[in-house]
Order: sequence, then structure tokens, then C-alpha cells
Amino acid sequence: GQQLNQSPQSMFIQEGEDVSMNCTSSSIFNTWLWYKQDPGEGPVLLIALYKAGELTSNGRLTAQFGITRKDSFLNISASIPSDVGIYFCAPLTSGSRLTFGEGTQLTVNP
Amino acid sequence: DVKVTQSSRYLVKRTGEKVFLECVQDMDHENMFWYRQDPGLGLRLIYFSYDVKMKEKGDIPEGYSVSREKKERFSLILESASTNQTSMYLCASRTGGNEQFFGPGTRLTVL
Repeated sequence: GQQLNQSPQSMFIQEGEDVSMNCTSSSIFNTWLWYKQDPGEGPVLLIALYKAGELTSNGRLTAQFGITRKDSFLNISASIPSDVGIYFCAPLTSGSRLTFGEGTQLTVNP
Repeated sequence: DVKVTQSSRYLVKRTGEKVFLECVQDMDHENMFWYRQDPGLGLRLIYFSYDVKMKEKGDIPEGYSVSREKKERFSLILESASTNQTSMYLCASRTGGNEQFFGPGTRLTVL
């Protein structure tokens, strides 16, 4: 089966710092999604990537779909306390199912 | 706004009990999903449904069953709860696009 590796598992940063996290896979995907889960809530979609090599921005968030279609990264610039949460990559697999990475737990110290 | 609601935020049950987790969505979505979330393992798909009375096994269906009698409601059933089913359970729904909309989750503890 496909293997999906998300790193880092956790990050502890100071407010204002930039953040970078990534996912790599043994399989090729045509769509990558990035979700964020706030404490005590369900995940919410942040960014969707549909084209290999595509760089997409949403405010302070930037995500890229790797050219090999086996990886993706998410960057957050100038972090703020409300960025705290768990971030998941979720490539789209067969039958429109999503496979979720293990998650990156982000802690932002004011 | 899409709203996915789950019947309980916290639930405590005993080993061997039958447990029902209910999920309701209000956007007429065809597809609904049940995941469990465990630290370091991300979200793992238990079961999903493409339409009323249809169900498909996900990656970890053992020990679970589901029911979809109405389009808006998707139930997860633990026939005989065990301690290794202590987890956070998340329900999601989806229409024709790729985005899944999640409920707030049910944290189940099996003693």
C-alpha cells in the first residue's frame, strides 16, 4: 500500500516565525489537500492543490504540489497564536477518498 | 455554511457495550465518512457511504459497522466496545468536489 510521511511531527515556535512542513509519499497523487484542526474541533480545509508544480497562496499560507506528484509542502509566514493546531496533508486517492498524514502539531509561543 | 453535527462530544462506555455514534449533515451531501483519530496516526478511514443504504469498508473496519437509512444521517456502531476503540471519532460529508467537511468529533472512552 501507499506510504505517506508527514514531518515534522511537532513544532514549537515563537510568534512571528515562519513555519514549514511537508509530506512525502511512495505513490503519485493528482490532488493534495491541506487541513488544519483547531483544538477540540474537526479539521477544516486550508488549501487545495490540483496541478504538479503549482504554488498556491492563501493569506499567510503557501502550499506547493511537488513536480514528481509524490510530495507537498505547506509554509506559514509570520506565525500568530491562532495558528496553533494540528496540520494534515491529505492527498486524494482512488474513489475520491482522502488519505491523511500523521499530522504536524504546531505550538506558537506569544 | 455546511454543518456536520455529531451526537456527543464526549462519551464513556464499558467494555462489551453496544455503542452508537450519530452524525447528521444539513447540506444534502451524497458522501459521508467515519474516521478515527489517534495521536501520531492521523485520521484513519473506518467506513464510508456514497448514498443511502450503501456502505464501503475503509482501511480499518474491523469491530465497526455503519448504517445509512437517510441521506443526512450516517451512524457508526460498535457492536461490542473494547478498550482499543478508545479514540476520537470524526464524521465528514462531501458533495461532488474534493473537500470533506468535518464534524467536531466524539471523544469515546471505553473502560
